[in-house]
Amino acid sequence: KQEVTQIPAALSVPEGENLVLNCSFTDSAIYNLQWFRQDPGKGLTSLLLIQSSQREQTSGRLNASLDKSSGRSTLYIAASQPGDSATYLCAVGNAGGTSYGKLTFGQGTILTVHP
Amino acid sequence: KAGVTQTPRYLIKTRGQQVTLSCSPISGHRSVSWYQQTPGQGLQFLFEYFSETQRNKGNFPGRFSGRQFSNSRSEMNVSTLELGDSALYLCASSLDRLVTDTQYFGPGTRLTVL
Repeated sequence: KQEVTQIPAALSVPEGENLVLNCSFTDSAIYNLQWFRQDPGKGLTSLLLIQSSQREQTSGRLNASLDKSSGRSTLYIAASQPGDSATYLCAVGNAGGTSYGKLTFGQGTILTVHP
Repeated sequence: KAGVTQTPRYLIKTRGQQVTLSCSPISGHRSVSWYQQTPGQGLQFLFEYFSETQRNKGNFPGRFSGRQFSNSRSEMNVSTLELGDSALYLCASSLDRLVTDTQYFGPGTRLTVL
Protein backbone atom coordinates (compact mmCIF):
# COMPACT_ATOMS: atom_id res chain seq x y z
CA LYS A 1 0.00 0.00 0.00
CA GLN A 2 1.43 3.35 -1.06
CA GLU A 3 2.03 5.86 1.71
CA VAL A 4 3.09 9.46 1.12
CA THR A 5 4.68 11.66 3.76
CA GLN A 6 5.38 15.37 3.56
CA ILE A 7 7.85 17.27 5.69
CA PRO A 8 7.59 19.80 7.21
CA ALA A 9 3.90 19.96 8.14
CA ALA A 10 4.11 23.75 8.32
CA LEU A 11 6.64 26.34 7.30
CA SER A 12 6.77 30.09 7.89
CA VAL A 13 9.36 32.17 6.04
CA PRO A 14 10.02 35.82 5.25
CA GLU A 15 9.42 37.05 1.74
CA GLY A 16 12.30 36.49 -0.66
CA GLU A 17 13.61 33.26 0.85
CA ASN A 18 14.26 30.15 -1.21
CA LEU A 19 12.63 27.10 0.28
CA VAL A 20 12.35 23.35 -0.13
CA LEU A 21 9.35 21.13 0.55
CA ASN A 22 9.89 17.40 0.91
CA CYS A 23 7.80 14.41 -0.09
CA SER A 24 8.58 10.73 0.40
CA PHE A 25 6.70 7.63 -0.77
CA THR A 26 7.01 3.99 0.17
CA ASP A 27 6.32 2.18 -3.13
CA SER A 28 8.69 3.13 -5.93
CA ALA A 29 6.49 1.55 -8.66
CA ILE A 30 4.99 4.89 -9.61
CA TYR A 31 3.74 6.30 -12.91
CA ASN A 32 4.14 9.91 -11.93
CA LEU A 33 4.21 12.41 -9.12
CA GLN A 34 2.30 15.66 -8.99
CA TRP A 35 2.66 18.73 -6.84
CA PHE A 36 -0.51 20.70 -6.12
CA ARG A 37 -1.35 23.93 -4.40
CA GLN A 38 -4.54 24.39 -2.38
CA ASP A 39 -5.80 27.72 -1.10
CA PRO A 40 -8.12 27.66 1.94
CA GLY A 41 -11.53 26.20 1.11
CA LYS A 42 -10.64 25.82 -2.55
CA GLY A 43 -9.85 23.03 -4.97
CA LEU A 44 -6.40 21.89 -6.04
CA THR A 45 -4.25 23.61 -8.63
CA SER A 46 -1.70 21.43 -10.40
CA LEU A 47 1.79 22.93 -10.24
CA LEU A 48 4.08 20.31 -11.73
CA LEU A 49 3.83 16.75 -13.01
CA ILE A 50 6.92 14.55 -13.12
CA GLN A 51 6.79 11.28 -15.05
CA SER A 52 8.54 8.30 -13.52
CA SER A 53 11.24 8.45 -16.20
CA GLN A 54 12.05 12.10 -15.47
CA ARG A 55 14.32 13.59 -12.86
CA GLU A 56 12.90 17.09 -12.63
CA GLN A 57 10.42 19.63 -13.95
CA THR A 58 10.51 23.41 -13.84
CA SER A 59 7.85 26.07 -14.10
CA GLY A 60 8.79 29.66 -13.37
CA ARG A 61 10.06 29.89 -9.80
CA LEU A 62 9.17 26.27 -9.10
CA ASN A 63 11.39 23.26 -9.58
CA ALA A 64 10.43 19.72 -8.64
CA SER A 65 12.81 16.79 -8.56
CA LEU A 66 12.15 13.07 -8.36
CA ASP A 67 14.39 10.28 -7.10
CA LYS A 68 12.32 7.16 -7.62
CA SER A 69 14.87 4.74 -6.21
CA SER A 70 14.97 6.51 -2.86
CA GLY A 71 11.26 7.34 -2.89
CA ARG A 72 11.72 11.08 -2.63
CA SER A 73 10.65 14.29 -4.32
CA THR A 74 11.38 17.88 -3.48
CA LEU A 75 9.65 21.08 -4.50
CA TYR A 76 11.94 24.09 -4.62
CA ILE A 77 10.39 27.56 -4.54
CA ALA A 78 12.70 30.42 -5.40
CA ALA A 79 12.31 33.95 -4.13
CA SER A 80 9.12 33.25 -2.19
CA GLN A 81 6.28 35.80 -2.18
CA PRO A 82 3.27 36.31 0.12
CA GLY A 83 1.07 35.05 -2.72
CA ASP A 84 2.79 31.68 -2.43
CA SER A 85 1.10 31.13 0.93
CA ALA A 86 -1.03 27.99 0.61
CA THR A 87 -1.02 24.29 1.35
CA TYR A 88 1.25 22.29 -0.95
CA LEU A 89 0.31 18.70 -1.63
CA CYS A 90 2.35 15.92 -3.13
CA ALA A 91 0.47 13.09 -4.88
CA VAL A 92 1.68 9.86 -6.40
CA GLY A 93 0.11 7.89 -9.24
CA ASN A 94 0.94 4.21 -9.06
CA ALA A 95 1.42 1.65 -11.78
CA GLY A 96 -0.84 -1.34 -11.98
CA GLY A 97 -4.42 -2.01 -13.02
CA THR A 98 -5.90 -1.27 -9.61
CA SER A 99 -4.51 2.25 -9.68
CA TYR A 100 -6.65 3.75 -12.43
CA GLY A 101 -7.37 7.39 -11.73
CA LYS A 102 -6.06 7.15 -8.21
CA LEU A 103 -3.64 9.56 -6.66
CA THR A 104 -2.28 8.94 -3.18
CA PHE A 105 -1.77 12.22 -1.35
CA GLY A 106 0.47 13.35 1.44
CA GLN A 107 -0.96 15.40 4.29
CA GLY A 108 0.48 18.58 2.86
CA THR A 109 2.80 21.38 3.93
CA ILE A 110 1.17 24.63 5.05
CA LEU A 111 3.35 27.45 3.79
CA THR A 112 3.14 31.00 5.09
CA VAL A 113 5.26 33.70 3.47
CA HIS A 114 5.17 36.93 5.45
CA PRO A 115 6.10 40.35 4.07
CA LYS B 1 -11.27 25.98 -22.22
CA ALA B 2 -13.54 25.77 -19.20
CA GLY B 3 -12.20 23.97 -16.15
CA VAL B 4 -13.77 21.25 -14.07
CA THR B 5 -17.06 22.38 -12.57
CA GLN B 6 -18.84 20.96 -9.56
CA THR B 7 -22.35 21.60 -8.35
CA PRO B 8 -23.57 22.49 -5.87
CA ARG B 9 -20.71 24.27 -4.16
CA TYR B 10 -22.24 23.99 -0.70
CA LEU B 11 -24.73 21.60 0.83
CA ILE B 12 -26.21 21.18 4.27
CA LYS B 13 -27.99 17.92 5.04
CA THR B 14 -29.15 16.06 8.12
CA ARG B 15 -28.21 12.57 9.22
CA GLY B 16 -30.01 9.83 7.36
CA GLN B 17 -30.63 11.87 4.22
CA GLN B 18 -29.01 11.19 0.89
CA VAL B 19 -27.15 13.56 -1.41
CA THR B 20 -26.06 13.71 -5.05
CA LEU B 21 -23.07 15.72 -6.22
CA SER B 22 -22.29 16.54 -9.82
CA CYS B 23 -19.03 16.98 -11.73
CA SER B 24 -18.52 18.20 -15.29
CA PRO B 25 -15.03 17.44 -16.59
CA ILE B 26 -12.93 19.50 -18.94
CA SER B 27 -14.15 19.10 -22.51
CA GLY B 28 -12.52 16.05 -24.08
CA HIS B 29 -11.54 14.46 -20.77
CA ARG B 30 -12.93 10.97 -20.33
CA SER B 31 -11.65 10.03 -16.89
CA VAL B 32 -13.27 11.39 -13.74
CA SER B 33 -12.01 10.64 -10.23
CA TRP B 34 -13.62 11.57 -6.92
CA TYR B 35 -11.89 12.35 -3.62
CA GLN B 36 -13.00 13.12 -0.09
CA GLN B 37 -11.00 15.66 1.90
CA THR B 38 -11.29 15.94 5.67
CA PRO B 39 -8.98 17.59 8.24
CA GLY B 40 -8.27 14.27 9.91
CA GLN B 41 -7.82 11.92 6.94
CA GLY B 42 -6.67 14.33 4.26
CA LEU B 43 -7.47 13.51 0.65
CA GLN B 44 -8.78 10.01 0.06
CA PHE B 45 -9.68 8.40 -3.25
CA LEU B 46 -13.31 7.38 -3.68
CA PHE B 47 -13.60 6.03 -7.23
CA GLU B 48 -12.72 6.59 -10.87
CA TYR B 49 -14.86 6.37 -13.99
CA PHE B 50 -13.89 6.11 -17.63
CA SER B 51 -16.35 5.76 -20.50
CA GLU B 52 -19.23 5.14 -18.09
CA THR B 53 -17.37 2.31 -16.34
CA GLN B 54 -16.03 2.31 -12.84
CA ARG B 55 -12.41 1.24 -13.14
CA ASN B 56 -11.28 1.69 -9.59
CA LYS B 57 -12.77 2.10 -6.14
CA GLY B 58 -11.30 3.24 -2.87
CA ASN B 59 -11.94 1.87 0.59
CA PHE B 60 -15.31 3.45 1.34
CA PRO B 61 -18.59 1.83 2.40
CA GLY B 62 -21.27 0.96 -0.13
CA ARG B 63 -23.22 4.08 0.86
CA PHE B 64 -20.88 5.91 -1.50
CA SER B 65 -21.65 5.30 -5.15
CA GLY B 66 -21.21 7.03 -8.45
CA ARG B 67 -21.85 6.92 -12.13
CA GLN B 68 -20.70 8.51 -15.35
CA PHE B 69 -22.80 9.53 -18.29
CA SER B 70 -22.04 9.30 -22.00
CA ASN B 71 -20.93 12.95 -22.06
CA SER B 72 -18.38 12.13 -19.30
CA ARG B 73 -20.25 14.08 -16.64
CA SER B 74 -20.23 12.23 -13.36
CA GLU B 75 -22.33 12.11 -10.24
CA MET B 76 -21.64 10.68 -6.85
CA ASN B 77 -24.29 9.74 -4.33
CA VAL B 78 -24.05 9.26 -0.60
CA SER B 79 -26.98 7.55 1.07
CA THR B 80 -27.90 7.46 4.76
CA LEU B 81 -25.62 10.37 5.61
CA GLU B 82 -23.53 10.26 8.77
CA LEU B 83 -21.87 13.13 10.63
CA GLY B 84 -18.50 11.81 9.51
CA ASP B 85 -19.43 12.35 5.87
CA SER B 86 -18.99 16.09 6.34
CA ALA B 87 -16.14 16.93 4.01
CA LEU B 88 -14.98 18.70 0.88
CA TYR B 89 -15.70 16.43 -2.09
CA LEU B 90 -13.41 17.01 -5.04
CA CYS B 91 -13.57 15.63 -8.52
CA ALA B 92 -10.74 15.58 -11.02
CA SER B 93 -10.66 14.92 -14.73
CA SER B 94 -7.97 13.78 -17.12
CA LEU B 95 -7.73 12.64 -20.69
CA ASP B 96 -7.09 9.11 -19.53
CA ARG B 97 -5.18 7.31 -16.84
CA LEU B 98 -1.92 7.32 -18.73
CA VAL B 99 1.52 8.31 -17.60
CA THR B 100 1.33 11.64 -19.38
CA ASP B 101 -1.95 12.76 -17.89
CA THR B 102 -2.32 15.51 -15.36
CA GLN B 103 -5.40 15.42 -13.16
CA TYR B 104 -7.28 18.72 -13.05
CA PHE B 105 -9.40 19.39 -10.01
CA GLY B 106 -12.67 21.23 -9.60
CA PRO B 107 -13.41 23.69 -6.77
CA GLY B 108 -15.19 21.04 -4.71
CA THR B 109 -18.53 20.64 -2.99
CA ARG B 110 -18.56 21.39 0.73
CA LEU B 111 -20.98 18.97 2.42
CA THR B 112 -22.05 19.59 6.00
CA VAL B 113 -24.07 16.89 7.76
CA LEU B 114 -25.98 18.02 10.87
